[in-house]
Amino acid sequence: DTAVSQTPKYLVTQMGNDKSIKCEQNLGHDTMYWYKQDSKKFLKIMFSYNNKELIINETVPNRFSPKSPDKAHLNLHINSLELGDSAVYFCASSMWDREDTQYFGPGTRLTVL
Amino acid sequence: GQQLNQSPQSMFIQEGEDVSMNCTSSSIFNTWLWYKQDPGEGPVLLIALYKAGELTSNGRLTAQFGITRKDSFLNISASIPSDVGIYFCANSGNTPLVFGKGTRLSVIA
Repeated sequence: DTAVSQTPKYLVTQMGNDKSIKCEQNLGHDTMYWYKQDSKKFLKIMFSYNNKELIINETVPNRFSPKSPDKAHLNLHINSLELGDSAVYFCASSMWDREDTQYFGPGTRLTVL
Repeated sequence: GQQLNQSPQSMFIQEGEDVSMNCTSSSIFNTWLWYKQDPGEGPVLLIALYKAGELTSNGRLTAQFGITRKDSFLNISASIPSDVGIYFCANSGNTPLVFGKGTRLSVIA
């Protein structure tokens, strides 16, 4: 009965590769988010989607492309991976009018070599 | 953009001790949130505060929304080993959720 799930949990890849991270929520929420947590544990929002529409894009390089096939899924595709992309990526979800109550996934630790 | 200043950055305490951490902002907010992140997991909401002066408890945790609406504190009483983790304050409103840089808590048994 996992609320917000992400796959994979760990991802190790070479610079220049393209990779995807998947996120699914079974809470019936209509808004989903991607956050990046750097090595100093600073947590920063990257994107938010409401009902499959992009709402927030916080100056993220266009190598990052989120895709929401339906309200329950928000995937993150990253092209031409760079060393600086190494981080933990968290997916989260909430109802649109309850941004204050977000449920986070377990995170995907991405390491770019 | 807005910034939340969280202190202390880290704490080492003995099991059974009480803990206090706080968060300040240069802007006024309508909501203060406290999240905890266990090692290897995502953040989990502990307490949400919606009114200036509000004092809310969740078990051994107590948080208050400052009167000026620019600060909040979180207290943990009688700490136990599972309190270990990173505690984040956060604001929400008409902007994306903004997180403080976290207070890393270590509990020595």
